[in-house]
Amino acid sequence: KNEVEQSPQNLTAQEGEFITINCSYSVGISALHWLQQHPGGGIVSLFMLSSGKKKHGRLIATINIQEKHSSLHITASHPRDSAVYICAVGRGGNQFYFGTGTSLTVIP
Amino acid sequence: NAGVTQTPKFQVLKTGQSMTLQCAQDMNHEYMSWYRQDPGMGLRLIHYSVGAGITDQGEVPNGYNVSRSTTEDFPLRLLSAAPSQTSVYFCASSYSTGTYNEQFFGPGTRLTVL
Repeated sequence: KNEVEQSPQNLTAQEGEFITINCSYSVGISALHWLQQHPGGGIVSLFMLSSGKKKHGRLIATINIQEKHSSLHITASHPRDSAVYICAVGRGGNQFYFGTGTSLTVIP
Repeated sequence: NAGVTQTPKFQVLKTGQSMTLQCAQDMNHEYMSWYRQDPGMGLRLIHYSVGAGITDQGEVPNGYNVSRSTTEDFPLRLLSAAPSQTSVYFCASSYSTGTYNEQFFGPGTRLTVL
Protein backbone atom coordinates (compact mmCIF):
# COMPACT_ATOMS: atom_id res chain seq x y z
CA LYS A 1 0.00 0.00 0.00
CA ASN A 2 1.39 3.36 -1.00
CA GLU A 3 0.67 6.20 1.39
CA VAL A 4 0.91 8.70 -1.47
CA GLU A 5 -0.86 8.16 -4.77
CA GLN A 6 -0.42 10.38 -7.78
CA SER A 7 -2.51 10.55 -10.92
CA PRO A 8 -2.10 10.36 -13.75
CA GLN A 9 1.15 8.41 -13.99
CA ASN A 10 1.81 9.77 -17.47
CA LEU A 11 0.40 12.84 -19.15
CA THR A 12 0.87 14.25 -22.64
CA ALA A 13 -0.41 17.72 -23.42
CA GLN A 14 -0.31 20.20 -26.25
CA GLU A 15 1.52 23.43 -25.64
CA GLY A 16 -0.82 25.96 -24.07
CA GLU A 17 -3.08 23.46 -22.35
CA PHE A 18 -4.07 23.71 -18.70
CA ILE A 19 -2.65 20.76 -16.77
CA THR A 20 -3.67 19.21 -13.46
CA ILE A 21 -1.72 16.62 -11.52
CA ASN A 22 -3.32 15.07 -8.46
CA CYS A 23 -1.92 13.75 -5.21
CA SER A 24 -3.89 11.83 -2.60
CA TYR A 25 -2.47 10.66 0.68
CA SER A 26 -3.70 8.41 3.43
CA VAL A 27 -1.71 9.58 6.43
CA GLY A 28 -1.81 12.59 8.68
CA ILE A 29 0.75 15.07 7.48
CA SER A 30 2.66 18.10 8.61
CA ALA A 31 3.34 19.48 5.15
CA LEU A 32 3.09 18.54 1.50
CA HIS A 33 5.77 19.27 -1.08
CA TRP A 34 5.69 19.32 -4.85
CA LEU A 35 8.99 18.53 -6.56
CA GLN A 36 10.06 18.69 -10.19
CA GLN A 37 12.56 16.27 -11.69
CA HIS A 38 13.97 17.26 -15.05
CA PRO A 39 14.96 14.75 -17.72
CA GLY A 40 18.59 15.25 -16.70
CA GLY A 41 17.67 13.90 -13.26
CA GLY A 42 17.96 16.96 -11.02
CA ILE A 43 15.20 17.49 -8.46
CA VAL A 44 14.00 20.92 -7.39
CA SER A 45 11.42 21.92 -4.85
CA LEU A 46 8.43 23.80 -6.30
CA PHE A 47 6.09 24.28 -3.36
CA MET A 48 5.61 23.47 0.30
CA LEU A 49 2.01 23.57 1.49
CA SER A 50 0.32 23.05 4.81
CA SER A 51 -2.98 24.67 3.84
CA GLY A 52 -4.71 26.61 1.09
CA LYS A 53 -3.09 27.59 -2.15
CA LYS A 54 0.22 28.87 -3.48
CA LYS A 55 1.10 30.36 -6.85
CA HIS A 56 4.45 30.80 -8.54
CA GLY A 57 4.37 32.04 -12.10
CA ARG A 58 2.29 29.59 -14.14
CA LEU A 59 2.25 26.99 -11.37
CA ILE A 60 -0.48 26.77 -8.76
CA ALA A 61 -0.63 24.27 -5.91
CA THR A 62 -3.63 23.63 -3.71
CA ILE A 63 -4.25 21.38 -0.76
CA ASN A 64 -7.43 20.19 0.95
CA ILE A 65 -6.43 18.83 4.34
CA GLN A 66 -9.88 17.38 5.11
CA GLU A 67 -9.97 15.43 1.85
CA LYS A 68 -6.24 14.57 2.01
CA HIS A 69 -5.73 15.77 -1.53
CA SER A 70 -3.49 18.19 -3.33
CA SER A 71 -3.35 19.36 -6.92
CA LEU A 72 -0.62 20.95 -9.00
CA HIS A 73 -1.86 23.05 -11.90
CA ILE A 74 0.18 24.38 -14.79
CA THR A 75 -1.41 27.12 -16.84
CA ALA A 76 -0.40 27.77 -20.46
CA SER A 77 1.87 24.73 -20.52
CA HIS A 78 5.15 24.88 -22.40
CA PRO A 79 7.57 22.18 -23.62
CA ARG A 80 10.03 23.27 -20.95
CA ASP A 81 7.48 22.09 -18.34
CA SER A 82 8.16 18.52 -19.48
CA ALA A 83 9.41 16.74 -16.39
CA VAL A 84 8.40 14.32 -13.67
CA TYR A 85 6.38 15.93 -10.89
CA ILE A 86 6.63 14.31 -7.48
CA CYS A 87 4.36 14.75 -4.48
CA ALA A 88 5.91 14.24 -1.04
CA VAL A 89 4.15 14.37 2.33
CA GLY A 90 5.89 15.00 5.61
CA ARG A 91 5.27 12.18 8.01
CA GLY A 92 6.58 13.85 11.09
CA GLY A 93 10.11 13.99 12.34
CA ASN A 94 12.25 14.47 9.29
CA GLN A 95 10.86 11.88 6.94
CA PHE A 96 8.65 11.95 3.89
CA TYR A 97 6.43 9.62 1.96
CA PHE A 98 7.01 10.13 -1.77
CA GLY A 99 4.68 9.48 -4.67
CA THR A 100 6.01 7.66 -7.70
CA GLY A 101 5.70 10.76 -9.83
CA THR A 102 3.73 11.98 -12.83
CA SER A 103 5.64 12.13 -16.09
CA LEU A 104 4.52 15.15 -18.12
CA THR A 105 5.33 15.69 -21.77
CA VAL A 106 4.27 18.93 -23.42
CA ILE A 107 4.27 18.80 -27.20
CA PRO A 108 4.90 22.00 -29.20
CA ASN B 1 26.83 28.97 -3.63
CA ALA B 2 27.28 25.55 -5.21
CA GLY B 3 24.28 24.17 -3.29
CA VAL B 4 24.37 20.40 -2.89
CA THR B 5 27.08 18.61 -4.84
CA GLN B 6 27.50 14.89 -5.40
CA THR B 7 30.33 12.87 -6.82
CA PRO B 8 30.66 10.80 -8.86
CA LYS B 9 27.84 11.34 -11.35
CA PHE B 10 28.09 7.80 -12.70
CA GLN B 11 29.69 4.66 -11.28
CA VAL B 12 29.88 1.01 -12.25
CA LEU B 13 30.88 -1.51 -9.60
CA LYS B 14 31.33 -5.23 -9.48
CA THR B 15 29.48 -7.27 -6.87
CA GLY B 16 31.37 -7.18 -3.59
CA GLN B 17 33.25 -3.96 -4.23
CA SER B 18 32.95 -1.07 -1.82
CA MET B 19 32.76 2.60 -2.55
CA THR B 20 31.80 5.96 -1.10
CA LEU B 21 29.36 8.39 -2.64
CA GLN B 22 30.28 11.91 -1.72
CA CYS B 23 27.81 14.65 -0.80
CA ALA B 24 28.59 18.20 0.27
CA GLN B 25 26.54 21.34 0.82
CA ASP B 26 27.67 24.91 1.37
CA MET B 27 24.43 26.33 2.78
CA ASN B 28 25.17 25.53 6.43
CA HIS B 29 22.17 23.20 6.53
CA GLU B 30 21.60 21.09 9.63
CA TYR B 31 19.67 18.30 7.99
CA MET B 32 21.09 16.02 5.31
CA SER B 33 19.75 12.82 3.87
CA TRP B 34 20.38 10.13 1.29
CA TYR B 35 17.67 8.69 -0.94
CA ARG B 36 17.59 6.06 -3.59
CA GLN B 37 15.28 6.24 -6.60
CA ASP B 38 14.20 3.08 -8.40
CA PRO B 39 11.84 2.72 -11.36
CA GLY B 40 8.20 2.60 -10.34
CA MET B 41 8.95 3.54 -6.76
CA GLY B 42 9.05 6.79 -4.90
CA LEU B 43 12.24 8.11 -3.40
CA ARG B 44 13.20 6.04 -0.37
CA LEU B 45 15.20 7.32 2.55
CA ILE B 46 18.42 5.43 3.30
CA HIS B 47 20.01 7.43 6.13
CA TYR B 48 19.74 10.92 7.47
CA SER B 49 21.55 13.30 9.79
CA VAL B 50 20.18 16.13 11.92
CA GLY B 51 23.59 17.63 12.57
CA ALA B 52 27.29 16.90 12.77
CA GLY B 53 27.92 13.71 14.69
CA ILE B 54 24.28 12.57 14.57
CA THR B 55 22.96 10.05 12.06
CA ASP B 56 19.99 7.72 11.92
CA GLN B 57 18.53 5.06 9.71
CA GLY B 58 15.79 5.62 7.23
CA GLU B 59 13.52 3.19 5.43
CA VAL B 60 16.16 1.14 3.56
CA PRO B 61 19.48 1.32 5.47
CA ASN B 62 20.81 -2.21 4.97
CA GLY B 63 24.10 -2.36 3.10
CA TYR B 64 24.88 1.33 3.62
CA ASN B 65 26.82 3.32 6.20
CA VAL B 66 27.01 7.04 6.79
CA SER B 67 28.91 9.46 8.97
CA ARG B 68 28.65 13.21 9.54
CA SER B 69 31.91 14.58 10.85
CA THR B 70 31.26 18.10 9.55
CA THR B 71 28.17 20.15 8.79
CA GLU B 72 29.11 20.26 5.12
CA ASP B 73 29.79 16.61 4.26
CA PHE B 74 27.62 13.50 4.41
CA PRO B 75 29.22 10.55 2.60
CA LEU B 76 27.36 7.33 1.89
CA ARG B 77 29.36 4.11 1.96
CA LEU B 78 28.41 0.91 0.21
CA LEU B 79 30.09 -1.83 2.17
CA SER B 80 29.85 -4.73 -0.30
CA ALA B 81 27.94 -3.77 -3.42
CA ALA B 82 25.10 -5.97 -4.61
CA PRO B 83 23.08 -5.81 -7.85
CA SER B 84 20.04 -4.79 -5.75
CA GLN B 85 21.87 -1.54 -5.01
CA THR B 86 21.76 -0.51 -8.65
CA SER B 87 19.87 2.74 -8.42
CA VAL B 88 20.06 6.50 -8.65
CA TYR B 89 21.16 8.06 -5.38
CA PHE B 90 20.24 11.56 -4.29
CA CYS B 91 21.63 13.54 -1.43
CA ALA B 92 19.44 16.31 -0.01
CA SER B 93 19.76 18.98 2.64
CA SER B 94 17.50 21.45 4.40
CA TYR B 95 18.02 24.34 6.75
CA SER B 96 16.51 22.64 9.73
CA THR B 97 14.83 19.49 10.84
CA GLY B 98 11.13 18.93 10.29
CA THR B 99 9.22 18.50 7.08
CA TYR B 100 8.19 22.15 6.74
CA ASN B 101 11.58 22.99 5.30
CA GLU B 102 12.42 23.14 1.62
CA GLN B 103 14.74 20.34 0.60
CA PHE B 104 17.63 20.99 -1.74
CA PHE B 105 18.72 18.02 -3.82
CA GLY B 106 22.04 17.15 -5.38
CA PRO B 107 22.25 16.15 -9.06
CA GLY B 108 22.29 12.43 -8.29
CA THR B 109 24.68 9.53 -8.73
CA ARG B 110 23.71 6.76 -11.11
CA LEU B 111 25.16 3.51 -9.77
CA THR B 112 25.24 0.20 -11.58
CA VAL B 113 26.36 -2.96 -9.79
CA LEU B 114 27.23 -5.85 -12.05
